[in-house]
Order: sequence, then C-alpha cells, then structure tokens
Amino acid sequence: GQQVMQIPQYQHVQEGEDFTTYCNSSTTLSNIQWYKQRPGGHPVFLIQLVKSGEVKKQKRLTFQFGEAKKNSSLHITATQTTDVGTYFCAGPGASGGSYIPTFGRGTSLIVHP
Amino acid sequence: KAGVTQTPRYLIKTRGQQVTLSCSPISGHRSVSWYQQTPGQGLQFLFEYFSETQRNKGNFPGRFSGRQFSNSRSEMNVSTLELGDSALYLCASSLLMGTSGTVSYEQYFGPGTRLTVT
Repeated sequence: GQQVMQIPQYQHVQEGEDFTTYCNSSTTLSNIQWYKQRPGGHPVFLIQLVKSGEVKKQKRLTFQFGEAKKNSSLHITATQTTDVGTYFCAGPGASGGSYIPTFGRGTSLIVHP
Repeated sequence: KAGVTQTPRYLIKTRGQQVTLSCSPISGHRSVSWYQQTPGQGLQFLFEYFSETQRNKGNFPGRFSGRQFSNSRSEMNVSTLELGDSALYLCASSLLMGTSGTVSYEQYFGPGTRLTVT
C-alpha cells in the first residue's frame, strides 16, 4: 500500500534558526495535508496542498508540494518556542478510489531558547 | 463553532474487557474518522463513517468496530482488550465538500481518549 515517509524524525534547533521537514510518498498524491501536534495535544490541521508545484505560506511557515506530487516540505523561518511540536504530513491512501488517510510518522521539533 | 468532543478523556481497563468511546463531530460535519496513536506505530487510521455507513476501514482486527448515529455522533468499540490496545484514540471530523465544490479532506481532531489496558 501507499506509504508516506517523513524525515527527519527529530530536529533540535536554537530559537531563531530555520527548520524543514520533508515528506515523501511511494505513489503520486492527489493532495497532501500538514498537521501540528503540540506535546500532550491533538493534531491540528495546518494546510492542504492540491496542485503540482504549489507553494503556500502562513506567516513564517512555507509549504511546498512537489512537481511530481510525490513529495512535500514544510519550512519554518526563524523558529520560536511556540513552534515546538510534531509536524505530520498526511496523504490519501489508494483503495479503489476511496480515501484512507495515511500519516507520516512525524517530525518532532524541539526549539532551544 | 464548537470543536470535536470526545468522551471519556481517560480510561483504564483490564485485559479482556471491552470499551466504548464516544465522539461528537463539529456541527455540520458528516464524516467521522477514528485513529489510534501510539509511540511505536504513529497515527493509524481505524475507520471512517459517513451518513451512518462505514465507508473506509484500516487494517485493524474485527475487535475494533464503530457506528455512527443520525446526528453524526460516532462511537467506537473495542472488545476483548489486549495490552497492545493501550493508546490515544483520536476522532476527527471532516466536511467533505467545500462551498466552492472543491473536495476538502482536512480533518479536525478531538482531544482524544487515553486508553490504558492493564
């Protein structure tokens, strides 16, 4: 079945440094979503990307969807302690056209003040 | 708009028992999905209900079942609990069609039910 791989698993940064997490799929994705889960919390929807090569920005966060729609990235500029959490990507699994969400294992971001 | 609510928030059960978890989606959302989250396996999809019908199902044994009511509220049941069922169970609701006609798969998660099986 479709797999969504995320790297790195963990990332330690000093406050103010940039951060990037990458998501790679074994198959072409029709769309991809990104979620953030704070420690002890639940996943919170950040954004959805649909078009090939799409780039979307939310303040210091930049999301990209690859041209082949098999990879995506989330880049945070000048990290802050409020950015701490695990970032997940999720894509639709293929099952006879049905939508079965497949989440990456996530990248845990630790920001040191 | 009120978010997704889940009850109970914490549960401790003994191996072999059964448990029922409840989820109330965001008003207007007709799709409810359930996930199991563990440190070892991450977020894994259990099943999705839409208009009281199970539409999609993940790779979990038949001990895991669910249902959805006419008001979109959903319940998940796990029978014959095993130690490995200890996890955070998350419910997520979704509005499948956006107002522009674009299909939207974004999901809104509840706070989860932390199940501990001893």
